[in-house]
Amino acid sequence: DAKTTQPTSMDCAEGRAANLPCNHSTISGNEYVYWYRQIHSQGPQYIIHGLKNNETNEMASLIITEDRKSSTLILPHATLRDTAVYYCIVRVAGATSNDYKLSFGAGTTVTVRA
Amino acid sequence: EPEVTQTPSHQVTQMGQEVILRCVPISNHLYFYWYRQILGQKVEFLVSFYNNEISEKSEIFDDQFSVERPDGSNFTLKIRSTKLEDSAMYFCASSSGNTIYFGEGSWLTVV
Repeated sequence: DAKTTQPTSMDCAEGRAANLPCNHSTISGNEYVYWYRQIHSQGPQYIIHGLKNNETNEMASLIITEDRKSSTLILPHATLRDTAVYYCIVRVAGATSNDYKLSFGAGTTVTVRA
Repeated sequence: EPEVTQTPSHQVTQMGQEVILRCVPISNHLYFYWYRQILGQKVEFLVSFYNNEISEKSEIFDDQFSVERPDGSNFTLKIRSTKLEDSAMYFCASSSGNTIYFGEGSWLTVV
């Protein structure tokens, strides 16, 4: 399984962009990078995922380096409600090609300050 | 927006009692999962379910645990004889084969 490394915690100012790094140097060519977040013991919330190309949706942007060994999740305008634990996860293939499990690490605790 | 719903949100049970946690996955999803999170610890994979059978399970998912999709809409997790260490938040999740979506969880307290 490709492991990920994230900083334990980081602070961000409200209204500013939050850049969350993740290292996944052992990622395989066909493995996706997924980002989830968990707000105060609620269910993990899907944010975004990508394979090679940079991705953007209404929540965030995902920048993946060309060698795919690291990525950065960008929250463009952080709000207090973005305070959460953010998980960078490499998608591990399961028993079938579409059946996979997510292995959660400790994530990065992001605190957005007013 | 479709979502995974779980009941109950919180259950307190006595050690040794059977517990059933219920989930309604997102309709048209084919893959179903249970995860758990002990207070202060990581989210852990328990089991995945596809085509009416378990496709993968973790070491945590021992003989005390079982899953079922009884009626084509619900997906249940049964703990046959609860132990104190089963106290945790249990998350149901579902997927159509791409992104996995999680419910808000069922908090189980075993006393």
